[in-house]
Amino acid sequence: KQEVTQIPAALSVPEGENLVLNCSFTDSAIYNLQWFRQDPGKGLTSLLLIQSSQREQTSGRLNASLDKSSGRSTLYIAASQPGDSATYLCAVPNSGNTPLVFGKGTRLSVIA
Amino acid sequence: GAGVSQSPSNKVTEKGKDVELRCDPISGHTALYWYRQRLGQGLEFLIYFQGNSAPDKSGLPSDRFSAERTGESVSTLTIQRTQQEDSAVYLCASSLEGSDSPLHFGNGTRLTVT
Repeated sequence: KQEVTQIPAALSVPEGENLVLNCSFTDSAIYNLQWFRQDPGKGLTSLLLIQSSQREQTSGRLNASLDKSSGRSTLYIAASQPGDSATYLCAVPNSGNTPLVFGKGTRLSVIA
Repeated sequence: GAGVSQSPSNKVTEKGKDVELRCDPISGHTALYWYRQRLGQGLEFLIYFQGNSAPDKSGLPSDRFSAERTGESVSTLTIQRTQQEDSAVYLCASSLEGSDSPLHFGNGTRLTVT
């Protein structure tokens, strides 16, 4: 059974810092890996999707890497801003037709 | 265009009553998911619809929970004889083709069972 772990559970940084969020998964036979953000009282917003054959994906100040063999992914946020404050979740499906298994998320606070 | 729409946004019900939650996915999305998020917990998979295939119901916690989807449109999640432990945010998501495409989530229905 796939299990997804995210470390740290919570993180507080001053504005402008670069930071890394970690995600690990137990079954490396994944189809892809997705990163989401969730704002309080809202649903999830898709940030990045990395296919199993890819090593990384970039969108603006966000860069996600994937090391499938070691069961790890990182989300790098450059020059953090208070608007980045949210919970960040990673999720993996084991195939194209199975539901995503989510980690519990990292709650990020960026202090102005 | 319109995103995933869920209704109601909030629902308070008495223990033992039945509730029905609605999800309108993005038009053209063949895949639809229901997840549950309890306070301080991660997302818990409930049920997955993909096109005309039989739904994956492996996440439904008990036979009090059921869901339907009409074609590739609206889905309803029904909880019968609600219990206090059913209190949670119920999130619906849709995507173009299952897990190969980014999931788009609604804002959820916050269910409180008193």
